[in-house]
Amino acid sequence: EPEVTQTPSHQVTQMGQEVILRCVPISNHLYFYWYRQILGQKVEFLVSFYNNEISEKSEIFDDQFSVERPDGSNFTLKIRSTKLEDSAMYFCASSDVVLGGGAKETQYFGPGTRLLVL
Amino acid sequence: AQSVTQLGSHVSVSEGALVLLRCNYSSSVPPYLFWYVQYPNQGLQLLLKYTTGATLVKGINGFEAEFKKSETSFHLTKPSAHMSDAAEYFCAVTSGYSSASKIIFGSGTRLSIRP
Repeated sequence: EPEVTQTPSHQVTQMGQEVILRCVPISNHLYFYWYRQILGQKVEFLVSFYNNEISEKSEIFDDQFSVERPDGSNFTLKIRSTKLEDSAMYFCASSDVVLGGGAKETQYFGPGTRLLVL
Repeated sequence: AQSVTQLGSHVSVSEGALVLLRCNYSSSVPPYLFWYVQYPNQGLQLLLKYTTGATLVKGINGFEAEFKKSETSFHLTKPSAHMSDAAEYFCAVTSGYSSASKIIFGSGTRLSIRP
């Protein structure tokens, strides 16, 4: 069964460093998402992406964050200058397209990347 | 705007007992509702979803949930708990009216199973 994959599974970085989290969505999906889960808290939406553009972003997704689909298979989240409070589990998700171009309601989540900022 | 409230951050039941995890939602448009499960150190797995049609939906691992519009609820149940059901459960809502709707998650309920 197709699945979303994410690399790395764990990343430790120093405050102020740039990190890139990578995701490979399910191959025929066209909508992509990033969510994060700070330890012990709820899963929060960061950004959605379609047709090489951001569809929606949350207030968490400030100028420190960017997303990119550099090729036909990868979807990345970059944090330019990490802060301690960026420590979290980051989930990538993808969804298929319905007739008319909208996203199907079911989002399939990857296993996550646990980011620790020291 | 949409929101989800899960009643009870931690629920403990005996093996073989009924599991009931409560979820209430708020939505200004007809909602799509989900339950996701997260096992320790793993990602989010879809248990079941409600979009339209039958209000009682069945999911994997023997779980089911009923959409009750009048009560704005989508409680998750399982008749007989198994040790392997121990996990964090998230209720979530999205809107079918947007082209790429974000999912709004509840705070989660940690389910423990007593032998």
